Amino acid sequence: QKEVEQDPGPLSVPEGAIVSLNCTYSNSAFQYFMWYRQYSRKGPELLMYTYSSGNKEDGRFTAQVDKSSKYISLFIRDSQPSDSATYLCAMSETGANNLFFGTGTRLTVIP
Amino acid sequence: NAGVTQTPKFRILKIGQSMTLQCAQDMNHNYMYWYRQDPGMGLKLIYYSVGAGITDKGEVPNGYNVSRSTTEDFPLRLELAAPSQTSVYFCASIPGPMGSYNSPLHFGNGTRLTVT
Repeated sequence: QKEVEQDPGPLSVPEGAIVSLNCTYSNSAFQYFMWYRQYSRKGPELLMYTYSSGNKEDGRFTAQVDKSSKYISLFIRDSQPSDSATYLCAMSETGANNLFFGTGTRLTVIP
Repeated sequence: NAGVTQTPKFRILKIGQSMTLQCAQDMNHNYMYWYRQDPGMGLKLIYYSVGAGITDKGEVPNGYNVSRSTTEDFPLRLELAAPSQTSVYFCASIPGPMGSYNSPLHFGNGTRLTVT
C-alpha cells in the first residue's frame, strides 16, 4: 500500500466551477499536510499548509484535513483558467526529513 | 533573490555516461533535497542534506551520489547512467526541519534527463 494515494485525473471543469481534490493516506503519524501546485515544466510551489486536523482558507482555496479518516481535501472556488495545473498533496511526520507526495491530479479549467 | 537554481534544464545521456546535476540556493537554507519525478509515481526522495558536510540517503538513492561542501550548493552525481534514471530531477531547500510549521519546501524548476 502506498503511503499516499491521489486520483491522477485528469479533471476538466468549466470556469467558475468548484473543484474538489482529495488524498488518502495510511500513516497515522502524519501531522503536516500540504498542497503544492505544479505548472507544466516548473517546480512545485506551496499552495496550502495545514497542521493536524481542521480547515484552512486562503482566498479561493480551502484545505481540509480529517485525521480520523486519513483524508485530506483541497477545494477551489470560482475556478479560473490560471488554476490549470497539477496539484500534489504532501504530508510528513513531526521532525521528519521527508515529505510523502501523492502522484498529483492534473486539472484543466476551461474558459 | 533567485531561490533554487538548477542546471542544466535538459540533458540527454548515453547509457554508461556520467554527469552532475547542479543545484544552488541563495536563501541560506540548511536543508536541501533531491527528488525525482516519474509519471504516475509522484516525487521520490533520492538524497538530502541537513547542512554542509552532512548528507543522507532517501528512498531511492541507488545509482546516485551527492556532496555538500557549502551551504549554497548540493550537486547530484550520476556515475553510470541507466535508462531507469530517465526522469525529471528536482532540487529543493527549506530553512529548517521539514516537519515544522511554516517551513515549505522551495523547489527549483527541474532538470529533464533522458538516458538512451
